[in-house]
Amino acid sequence: DAGVIQSPRHEVTEMGQEVTLRCKPISGHNSLFWYRQTMMRGLELLIYFNNNVPIDDSGMPEDRFSAKMPNASFSTLKIQPSEPRDSAVYFCASSARTAGANVLTFGAGSRLTVL
Amino acid sequence: QKEVEQDPGPLSVPEGAIVSLNCTYSNSAFQYFMWYRQYSRKGPELLMYTYSSGNKEDGRFTAQVDKSSKYISLFIRDSQPSDSATYLCAMSDPQGAQKLVFGQGTRLTINP
Repeated sequence: DAGVIQSPRHEVTEMGQEVTLRCKPISGHNSLFWYRQTMMRGLELLIYFNNNVPIDDSGMPEDRFSAKMPNASFSTLKIQPSEPRDSAVYFCASSARTAGANVLTFGAGSRLTVL
Repeated sequence: QKEVEQDPGPLSVPEGAIVSLNCTYSNSAFQYFMWYRQYSRKGPELLMYTYSSGNKEDGRFTAQVDKSSKYISLFIRDSQPSDSATYLCAMSDPQGAQKLVFGQGTRLTINP
């Protein structure tokens, strides 16, 4: 398996522009997570899906952020409009939901810079 | 106060040294404890996980959980330059097992 695949790896954009980050989870994994990592705040959970259904979006910072999972093999995280404080590394992770510990497999991340 | 506290370091030790990485937490409901390793410009990868209290060993790595003190540790024996990375602790409770709470991460450098 190729693991969790994220694109783009790097994105530089100007304030006010729309940003779309993409994720392909591991085949067979039925849970998908979006995290944001910054030096100041570390790794923060934004939203997660089980079987393509959003379960908890309490970590989404503002209405400017939205996430979708139209099918089991694809998810997007959209920021519109983007702001400089959104600059961070955004990680997608997936897991096979079972009883017990939630073992996440992370993608390589999308590094976003908003100027 | 954060739910999980982890000294961000950086921590720099010579090759072959024993490394001790630690996290403290405030939520007594946490039962699942994990350590992730993150190399520069990469995503975190699971290193070890333990359930409830006790020790777990995997090669040069040992994870310890002391629930009475709300304190977890990761020990690395015979440290190698390839162990240089950021180590993040993560934990969750049985009710919210899918919502892992991560520590800030400790940046570790092993000097040859």
